[in-house]
Amino acid sequence: SQQGEEDPQALSIQEGENATMNCSYKTSINNLQWYRQNSGRGLVHLILIRSNEREKHSGRLRVTLDTSKKSSSLLITASRAADTASYFCATDRRGQNFVFGPGTRLSVLP
Amino acid sequence: EAQVTQNPRYLITVTGKKLTVTCSQNMNHEYMSWYRQDPGLGLRQIYYSMNVEVTDKGDVPEGYKVSRKEKRNFPLILESPSPNQTSLYFCASAYRGLTATEAFFGQGTRLTVV
Repeated sequence: SQQGEEDPQALSIQEGENATMNCSYKTSINNLQWYRQNSGRGLVHLILIRSNEREKHSGRLRVTLDTSKKSSSLLITASRAADTASYFCATDRRGQNFVFGPGTRLSVLP
Repeated sequence: EAQVTQNPRYLITVTGKKLTVTCSQNMNHEYMSWYRQDPGLGLRQIYYSMNVEVTDKGDVPEGYKVSRKEKRNFPLILESPSPNQTSLYFCASAYRGLTATEAFFGQGTRLTVV
């Protein structure tokens, strides 16, 4: 079974709006990462947050981590059409690394 | 340029005909992994390798084999492909098998088994 589950499955917003997607996981983790995938291409790493961190920023990206709720959120501010992609969280699970959820498909409409 | 290279990019084959998808990385990474991606199911891990000669099953290993004889290569072998193995496959590598380091992905191999 998958360790991380992204929510929502799909999200459509207008350019300039903020996009928020969530990741919930089942067992305790050491680190959580977010990746982006443009249609049919390989995943690209966006940001890593460690289990002792609560929030991290990178450009227009903001990631939060709540270990008590076993959840993380990815916020993309001032979205652009080029942000249209699928977004995945990745965690570790009982020694198995880089376990991905089903992803959130983001569409940013011009 | 640091990269993970998969070959072939596209492959159409027939049921039962053995095939190998190659994966090579030039970053001296210890960790390598194979995933399959199917609509609505995200990336599911097939096999992973923490180092040379060390491989472990992921979530969906049935019907696949791997080997890690050298650090840079991690081929995925389908001894007797079946139509349910039609999928998009990705190879990934990371410095170590810990999610404290980012994973680098290949371009993907789209496999169709008829």
